[in-house]
Amino acid sequence: EIVLTQSPGTLSLSPGDRAALSCRASQSVGSSQLAWYQQKPGQPPRLLIYGASIRATGIPDRFSGSGSGTDFTLTISRLEPEDFAVYHCHQYSHSPRSFGQGTKLEIK
Amino acid sequence: QVQLVQSGSELKKPGASVKVSCKASGYTLTNHAMNWVRQAPGQGLEWMGWINTHTGHPTYAQGFTGRFVFSLDTSVNTAYLQISSLKADDSAIYYCARDGTGDWNTGNWFDPWGQGTLVTVSS
Repeated sequence: EIVLTQSPGTLSLSPGDRAALSCRASQSVGSSQLAWYQQKPGQPPRLLIYGASIRATGIPDRFSGSGSGTDFTLTISRLEPEDFAVYHCHQYSHSPRSFGQGTKLEIK
Repeated sequence: QVQLVQSGSELKKPGASVKVSCKASGYTLTNHAMNWVRQAPGQGLEWMGWINTHTGHPTYAQGFTGRFVFSLDTSVNTAYLQISSLKADDSAIYYCARDGTGDWNTGNWFDPWGQGTLVTVSS
């Protein structure tokens, strides 16, 4: 089973800041089969990025994904108030599928 | 648009069963695999497994065998999750989530997700 470790657990930043969220896998994620989701309180996760770097439909270009193998990063170039939420990474290259424990992005 | 609409919150006693529905609209259920994901209170996401909506064959992740059953009713474009012999630690939000593509030969991201069904198990 691939274990995904997200860091930091909580990230405190201000609107306008740049955010970098990390997701490390316990073994290589094949074909960059990694996704990122945003989850706000009381809502389901929303797909942001798949294939490690491909933005989903309707996702603003301030969100970008990068990485391969075992190290992946979600970058938000300039934080908007609506970006403060929990972010989950997800690998779908190996079964069982797995998620990281989440990074909470909070307003400083 | 493509949408998954789940049934409403449930309050059950320990030992009871619950059946959560996930109705697909905007596409044909049998064209994409369906996944089930659990989120315990204040916790992360846990993949429970998936069902091949073309064949009806379910695959359960470790920890979700025995009491958990995935099923379909293709006549109403709906997937189901049934949990029997409920325990207090089954209390969680349960999400259905569609595979992002209809490619059965590779792994897929999840999109869209249902709105979630809160199951509370309490005496």
